[in-house]
Amino acid sequence: EPEVTQTPSHQVTQMGQEVILRCVPISNHLYFYWYRQILGQKVEFLVSFYNNEISEKSEIFDDQFSVERPDGSNFTLKIRSTKLEDSAMYFCASSTDRENEKLFFGSGTQLSVL
Amino acid sequence: GQQVMQIPQYQHVQEGEDFTTYCNSSTTLSNIQWYKQRPGGHPVFLIQLVKSGEVKKQKRLTFQFGEAKKNSSLHITATQTTDVGTYFCAQNQGAQKLVFGQGTRLTINP
Repeated sequence: EPEVTQTPSHQVTQMGQEVILRCVPISNHLYFYWYRQILGQKVEFLVSFYNNEISEKSEIFDDQFSVERPDGSNFTLKIRSTKLEDSAMYFCASSTDRENEKLFFGSGTQLSVL
Repeated sequence: GQQVMQIPQYQHVQEGEDFTTYCNSSTTLSNIQWYKQRPGGHPVFLIQLVKSGEVKKQKRLTFQFGEAKKNSSLHITATQTTDVGTYFCAQNQGAQKLVFGQGTRLTINP
């Protein structure tokens, strides 16, 4: 079964450093998402992306965050200057070309900011 | 944005007992989705409910959407250890913005 893949599975960084989290969505999907989950808490929406632009974003997704689809397969989340509170599991997800479709999630990248 | 309230936050049962989690919204929902996240895993889609009063079953799982489309429930009959995890309801707030409830963490005593 096709799946969303994320790399790396774990990322440790120093506060103030830039990180890029990478995702390869399912190949025929057109909508892409980033979510984060602080340990033991709920899954929080960050951003959705369609047709090479942001569709929706949450208040968490401030100027420190950006997303990009640099080629036909990758979808990235960049955090420019990490803070301690950015430590979380970051999930990428994708869905088909219809609205309100189910999301397929990747296994996540655990980001630890020291 | 709108909040979907999910209760209870935690539920511990003996294996074989039933389990129910509830989602409530102050506004009418266009649809609701349910996801399961195993410990250490990622959310996995279970089902989507769209119609008022809809009831769907998946083996021991029964999903309901309220008549007013403001609440939903997931009921598991005769829990098994494989049911352990956190169950999330999720609502669309915008065409590409799926917002998750706080989740109900289910633990089971074998």
